[in-house]
Amino acid sequence: GDSVTQMEGPVTLSEEAFLTINCTYTATGYPSLFWYVQYPGEGLQLLLKATKADDKGSNKGFEATYRKETTSFHLEKGSVQVSDSAVYFCALALGSGGSYIPTFGRGTSLIVHP
Amino acid sequence: DVKVTQSSRYLVKRTGEKVFLECVQDMDHENMFWYRQDPGLGLRLIYFSYDVKMKEKGDIPEGYSVSREKKERFSLILESASTNQTSMYLCAIQGGQETQYFGPGTRLLVL
Repeated sequence: GDSVTQMEGPVTLSEEAFLTINCTYTATGYPSLFWYVQYPGEGLQLLLKATKADDKGSNKGFEATYRKETTSFHLEKGSVQVSDSAVYFCALALGSGGSYIPTFGRGTSLIVHP
Repeated sequence: DVKVTQSSRYLVKRTGEKVFLECVQDMDHENMFWYRQDPGLGLRLIYFSYDVKMKEKGDIPEGYSVSREKKERFSLILESASTNQTSMYLCAIQGGQETQYFGPGTRLLVL
């Protein structure tokens, strides 16, 4: 079945450091790929997405490129802030009768120190 | 903006109680979902619904049921709560281009 694997956390960084959170997937077909973020005490919210190979999703300084050849969708940010501390989830969605049931990774906690 | 509300942020219940968790959306979306979130396990799908009175089992439906009598409301029911159902419960709706919109979550403690 479909699956998403992302690096285990927590990832601990100092403010202004470079961030990479790795995400790879397996899917039968051509999924759309997503990164969601969950701030403390809240539900998940969409951070960025890409719907086809070589697309780059970007938002709030975060970027991820849909790499079909390596089945990856790594999240990057050039300079993290304390306010980026959250849990990040990689996900894929593959239409099945129009339902697009998503598959989520287990989440990676990011802690940014001042 | 899409708004998904959940009836409670925190709940404390006793083993054996019947528990209702409600989710309401303010848009006209057909697809609604219930997940539970546990440390180290990520999100696991309990049930989802395509339309009123329609429901489908997710990955972990045991011990749960759902109700969707109106399009905007999707309820998760724990028929007889057990301690292993202590968790964070998240409701979501499916918007355009497969994006999910989540409620703030209900943290349930079963004693």
